[in-house]
Amino acid sequence: AQSVTQLDSQVPVFEEAPVELRCNYSSSVSVYLFWYVQYPNQGLQLLLKYLSGSTLVESINGFEAEFNKSQTSFHLRKPSVHISDTAEYFCAVSQGGGSYIPTFGRGTSLIVHP
Amino acid sequence: NAGVTQTPKFQVLKTGQSMTLQCAQDMNHNSMYWYRQDPGMGLRLIYYSASEGTTDKGEVPNGYNVSRLNKREFSLRLESAAPSQTSVYFCASSPQTGPQETQYFGPGTRLLVL
Repeated sequence: AQSVTQLDSQVPVFEEAPVELRCNYSSSVSVYLFWYVQYPNQGLQLLLKYLSGSTLVESINGFEAEFNKSQTSFHLRKPSVHISDTAEYFCAVSQGGGSYIPTFGRGTSLIVHP
Repeated sequence: NAGVTQTPKFQVLKTGQSMTLQCAQDMNHNSMYWYRQDPGMGLRLIYYSASEGTTDKGEVPNGYNVSRLNKREFSLRLESAAPSQTSVYFCASSPQTGPQETQYFGPGTRLLVL
């Protein structure tokens, strides 16, 4: 069975500082990994995903995540955050050969202070 | 394109009342999903429909029923609401079934059961 652990429920950070949101997964087969973002009072939207190929994936707004198979991690990073990045971030995993429904982590609330 | 739409946006029910949450997508997607989001719990799958005419239980189906009315619409019914069903409900869709698919979410329905 697949599972996802987001190690931090809340991450406060100052504007223009770097940030890392941690995600670890558990799966016995090949995995596909996603980060979704939820802005206040909105639904989730895809931020980036890893399907295959390069282990480093990037989003259009400066976030990046690296798939690390040996550490079973898919941490999300941004070198300099903006106030507008304040949101809830969800890591999700789905696996080949099993249920195609992704399992979501409990979410990390990123709070960017001016 | 409206994407995924949900009605109503807010609802207050008394214990024992029934209601139906409506969801529609205009992206010609085959698969649709219902999730609930509770603080600290992330997203939990209630029911899903891999394609028109099929529905399956997710992680937390008790107390709910669903209907895939046609390819566009997927409704969630609470027959006898309970306070434990106070939550934010999200409908999502994806083009096909498969572990690589991105899910597209609606804006959510906020339900309070008194």
